[in-house]
Amino acid sequence: DAKTTQPTSMDCAEGRAANLPCNHSTISGNEYVYWYRQIHSQGPQYIIHGLKNNETNEMASLIITEDRKSSTLILPHATLRDTAVYYCGKRGSNYKLTFGKGTLLTVNP
Amino acid sequence: SQTIHQWPATLVQPVGSPLSLECTVEGTSNPNLYWYRQAAGRGLQLLFYSVGIGQISSEVPQNLSASRPQDRQFILSSKKLLLSDSGFYLCACSVGPFTRSNQPQHFGDGTRLSIL
Repeated sequence: DAKTTQPTSMDCAEGRAANLPCNHSTISGNEYVYWYRQIHSQGPQYIIHGLKNNETNEMASLIITEDRKSSTLILPHATLRDTAVYYCGKRGSNYKLTFGKGTLLTVNP
Repeated sequence: SQTIHQWPATLVQPVGSPLSLECTVEGTSNPNLYWYRQAAGRGLQLLFYSVGIGQISSEVPQNLSASRPQDRQFILSSKKLLLSDSGFYLCACSVGPFTRSNQPQHFGDGTRLSIL
């Protein structure tokens, strides 16, 4: 989805927080923001989603700006196993899940 | 929670040959099922979705077809493969009302299809 933009790559030190940004300036009012990650040769793994409030689960936190034009995925204590491509996407009542091109997060020891 | 099984994991097929990829779901009933294709540099493309047995909707015109013969079985087929059909094929599943946008889709581990 060309309207969802993410940095191509990011690095993070093991044990530190990883903050992954996403711009979705054309998101509609009924569209949820979704985050997935993908390790090579596997299917995308669901992480978290939200509409306008910040969300937290056992994997990550999601911060959505008040105007909903951008969001940040936070991995509070990154481990080597968190190295993956992270996709920001959106889904509305039209059922279609669309992703950006993803950010390759590399967690370094 | 649901588990999505896909096979085979990898497949190499000659141009013009038929195709059958299978997806089965465990851990839920009456799921919404989806076939996506992920091509390098092109993101995720929805191909088909199904809200019930025998109910298939197509998103893009192509030489692929889908069928849902059982509640938790979704099949992607082709009579004659093209070079452009190469890619990573993903089956996904969601539960609950189809149009509820706050129901996450969960993916299988995909089939990597190479056409020679």
